[in-house]
Parts: sequence; structure tokens; C-alpha cells
Amino acid sequence: DQQVKQNSPSLSVQEGRISILNCDYTNSMFDYFLWYKKYPAEGPTFLISISSIKDKNEDGRFTVFLNKSAKHLSLHIVPSQPGDSAVYFCAASLNYGGATNKLIFGTGTLLAVQP
Amino acid sequence: DVKVTQSSRYLVKRTGEKVFLECVQDMDHENMFWYRQDPGLGLRLIYFSYDVKMKEKGDIPEGYSVSREKKERFSLILESASTNQTSMYLCASSFRSYATGFNEKLFFGSGTQLSVL
Repeated sequence: DQQVKQNSPSLSVQEGRISILNCDYTNSMFDYFLWYKKYPAEGPTFLISISSIKDKNEDGRFTVFLNKSAKHLSLHIVPSQPGDSAVYFCAASLNYGGATNKLIFGTGTLLAVQP
Repeated sequence: DVKVTQSSRYLVKRTGEKVFLECVQDMDHENMFWYRQDPGLGLRLIYFSYDVKMKEKGDIPEGYSVSREKKERFSLILESASTNQTSMYLCASSFRSYATGFNEKLFFGSGTQLSVL
């Protein structure tokens, strides 16, 4: 049962253009969403996050949009650069009533930015 | 910068062996996590710990156990390794926010690629 889904396993864009990575979720109890970036042979690194009470968060070239009614979020990268080529994971935080939240990750999207 | 160190980058073990994966973080984080990453399945949570000697099952705990005797160290144990446990294992840690009770920003190690033959 995949609660967080990234339906596009890969995406290719031209340098300078916009990259849009999508993520869908099924559990309306998720209260925080995050994007992580992962280069080969490295662990994932935090990129940007958004609380469920907001619909947009921006940090430089990266913007995350949240549509709670559609249970959908997206990551926009503008302009895309070759160094952005990596696997991007969407993650959702679930407060299950314990001492800490659980992060549930999607399957990842491999972004390739062509020079 | 936070550093999460996993003891081995690559590991090859035989079916039935007991396997220990070690993880150390240097930022005094309360929370530590073990994930495995598999193609097409993303990152799946195996176990996590929010304090010394405390542990909780994640989504796929079967065949695994953990140990947290010191705050900075979190060990993943494969009691009897099987071929379906061949995977990339990622350790992570996070700081507990006392304002909200949790903190979602995980800091990951570089991973251990385990092959069970």
C-alpha cells in the first residue's frame, strides 16, 4: 500500500527550462511534506518542505505547491541546471501519536537536466 | 554540518549469517532511523528510535532488529540474512523540536550496499 506515490520514474528537461516533479498521497492525516534530493553514492539531502496549512513555499529556484483537496504536491525548479540532475524523493510526515513522526517516502523521480 | 557515518560502504554476506550495520551521528540528535532503498519502492522505514534504549517498528521490521545503547549510535541487525535483504541501507538522524514534539528534517548517511549471497 503505497501512501506516497511518484508516478513518473524519470524526467528529462533542458537546462534553463522549468522542471516539475509531481507527488500524490492518499492519507489526509499527513501534516508536513518534504522533498529530498539524492545523488548516486550519497545519502538523500533535505531540499524544501511545506506544512499542510500552506499551499506554497519558495526557496530560491525551488518552489513546492500543495493542493490538499487533490492530495497532490509538486516541486518546481526554475531555471533547471545540470547540477540538479539527481533522484528526487517526495516524503510525508505522519504524527501517529508516538514520540516522533514517521516520514513516508515516495518511490523517487530521476531528473536529468540536459546542457 | 551534521555528520551521519555508516561503518561500511559495501558489504557482502552469506545467507544465514548474522549481520550488523552500524551508524553513528555527531550532532546529539534524539531520533535515529533505518531505511532501506530498493528500485521502484523508494525508501522504506525499518526501525526507528527516539531515545536511548527506545525503539519502534517501522513499516518493514520483519527479519530485522535494532540496538541503541548510546545516543549517538544506532545499530541494525539482520538476525539471519536472506537474499531478499540485499539492498541499500540508509541510516538517518533528526533533532527533536521541543516546540512541536518532532522534527521532520532527516540527515542521512551515505548508505551501505548489502549483498546477501
